[in-house]
Amino acid sequence: EAQVTQNPRYLITVTGKKLTVTCSQNMNHEYMSWYRQDPGLGLRQIYYSMNVEVTDKGDVPEGYKVSRKEKRNFPLILESPSPNQTSLYFCASSPSGAAGGYNEQFFGPGTRLTVL
Amino acid sequence: QKEVEQNSGPLSVPEGAIASLNCTYSDRGSQSFFWYRQYSGKSPELIMFIYSNGDKEDGRFTAQLNKASQYVSLLIRDSQPSDSATYLCAVKGLGDSNYQLIWGAGTKLIIKP
Repeated sequence: EAQVTQNPRYLITVTGKKLTVTCSQNMNHEYMSWYRQDPGLGLRQIYYSMNVEVTDKGDVPEGYKVSRKEKRNFPLILESPSPNQTSLYFCASSPSGAAGGYNEQFFGPGTRLTVL
Repeated sequence: QKEVEQNSGPLSVPEGAIASLNCTYSDRGSQSFFWYRQYSGKSPELIMFIYSNGDKEDGRFTAQLNKASQYVSLLIRDSQPSDSATYLCAVKGLGDSNYQLIWGAGTKLIIKP
């Protein structure tokens, strides 16, 4: 089944304890992205990757790191989580496409993170 | 700062009626417009996209775009309880990559049986 998977789905942690949220897609998509979703603010992009070893900041990158060593995986790393990073996180992927067009983004199931 | 605005709702509509969801955007150069549906506790999924002024129909859904007014809407005909969800409007601007979107905060729609 074509899908984007994220782990863990739920995580409660404490301030300063490093954590990684994994994201994997089995659709051979070149593009992958991380979003956070907060009430009243919609989806905000954290980081995105156009291809292996190519990553770039989104709108809210502070406090996050990513890596793209393989096409299928795009982990999100919080080196020192803080309570303001409590949020619902989504990973998304999209196939490559012709310039000027748009490719549907496929979302993972989400990771609900609470930082105490 | 590019913005996409949606009424947060909730918008309550009787079953069988037409639900009308609205979205305005600030970047006059925006080119592509998308409606995603998000059920409570689930991830967003694409319903429709529209590039040109006018209407685009897909089953019970119609997207309407008015670039002069910087306004895009989604109509849902014969609303069903299963349409109850949050509807996210997303916009791709001129010059933005094919993958980067500006998202509205969403409108919560409730279809009452």
